[in-house]
Amino acid sequence: QKEVEQNSGPLSVPEGAIASLNCTYSDRGSQSFFWYRQYSGKSPELIMFIYSNGDKEDGRFTAQLNKASQYVSLLIRDSQPSDSATYLCAVSSGGYQKVTFGTGTKLQVIP
Amino acid sequence: NAGVTQTPKFRILKIGQSMTLQCTQDMNHNYMYWYRQDPGMGLKLIYYSVGAGITDKGEVPNGYNVSRSTTEDFPLRLELAAPSQTSVYFCASRNRQGPADTQYFGPGTRLTVL
Repeated sequence: QKEVEQNSGPLSVPEGAIASLNCTYSDRGSQSFFWYRQYSGKSPELIMFIYSNGDKEDGRFTAQLNKASQYVSLLIRDSQPSDSATYLCAVSSGGYQKVTFGTGTKLQVIP
Repeated sequence: NAGVTQTPKFRILKIGQSMTLQCTQDMNHNYMYWYRQDPGMGLKLIYYSVGAGITDKGEVPNGYNVSRSTTEDFPLRLELAAPSQTSVYFCASRNRQGPADTQYFGPGTRLTVL
């Protein structure tokens, strides 16, 4: 079982819609959870992190964490064509030291 | 404040050659990481360090070595390069302070082994 799993996509949504990206993780002791955006040929950039159960909102982005289900998600409201990118889920484990990434979900926002 | 810098940006190696990928951060972060990213794939952790003098293996350490003699520098050494090591290599540093937790990535090194 992979440590961090994501659907590779592509996930296609129309402009203005809500995009929902999902991620599951295997280590029940994981502590911090991250969402990164990566444009083609560029390095990943952090969108947000979450460490407590529940929702965390930042602008158009909402991260949701459910530790009991070992599930973390990212919602993007009012999706824009500029949101088209690969979204990487990452999980911190091993006493907060190790950060492991999923394979990413490619998002396409259709104008 | 340059953040995380990596050199070189591009490199072509022949099978069996060796090289060192350089990574430097100027943010005084204790945590540093090396990842590789194959085309269309996520990032795989090669090695990480939680402070000067402390390193540990990640998911795919075979064929690589690291050292961390200073807080700023975390070089990655490839010995006896193989075509399977063709990839984009990213270095990252991480800041954990209280509830904040942020990982900053360098621009990457694109390596081809022929």
